[in-house]
Amino acid sequence: DAKTTQPTSMDCAEGRAANLPCNHSTISGNEYVYWYRQIHSQGPQYIIHGLKNNETNEMASLIITEDRKSSTLILPHATLRDTAVYYCIVRALNTGNQFYFGTGTSLTVIP
Amino acid sequence: GAVVSQHPSRVICKSGTSVKIECRSLDFQATTMFWYRQFPKQSLMLMATSNEGSKATYEQGVEKDKFLINHASLTLSTLTVTSAHPEDSSFYICSAISGGVEGYTFGSGTRLTVV
Repeated sequence: DAKTTQPTSMDCAEGRAANLPCNHSTISGNEYVYWYRQIHSQGPQYIIHGLKNNETNEMASLIITEDRKSSTLILPHATLRDTAVYYCIVRALNTGNQFYFGTGTSLTVIP
Repeated sequence: GAVVSQHPSRVICKSGTSVKIECRSLDFQATTMFWYRQFPKQSLMLMATSNEGSKATYEQGVEKDKFLINHASLTLSTLTVTSAHPEDSSFYICSAISGGVEGYTFGSGTRLTVV
């Protein structure tokens, strides 16, 4: 699976949009971009994933560049409960592929 | 959505004893499950891949005789930490391929403290 690079930490004001970048310059054509988050002392929670097109769901939006070498997770209106570590992972959809976590971005939403 | 239940959520054990952690897929069958370990302020480290009906596959550097994995049914995988030592104290998390849009579903984790 392709490696990802994320900033170690970010702050965001409550109510503002949080934009979390991820670089995955070695991504392969069949690899998806997944985003998970981990609130302290809990298991990771799925947020969103995409292949080429931008995606949006009730939690977030995912913007993938045209060359697919980077992406941005957008939390449109951050709340204090969004404070967590956010992981960007790229992997193919083949059954059995392991999920390897990078260091992630620690997002702190400030009141 | 898919749910993975992990039990216990917290356990304290004495050094030298063994501890078993259970991971159950509640509403789907999981032929493959994964076990992770997470130390404070660090990311999740994959320990092993658990396959129903066959031996687990361990990541490099993980002692298979110390971390025994059993995946005897399509809904249950267990991780047994044998002869636990204080350095085994960590947050253990399991996950399963749920087949839904999320791909993988994670358990809520087990905080193991060895005293």
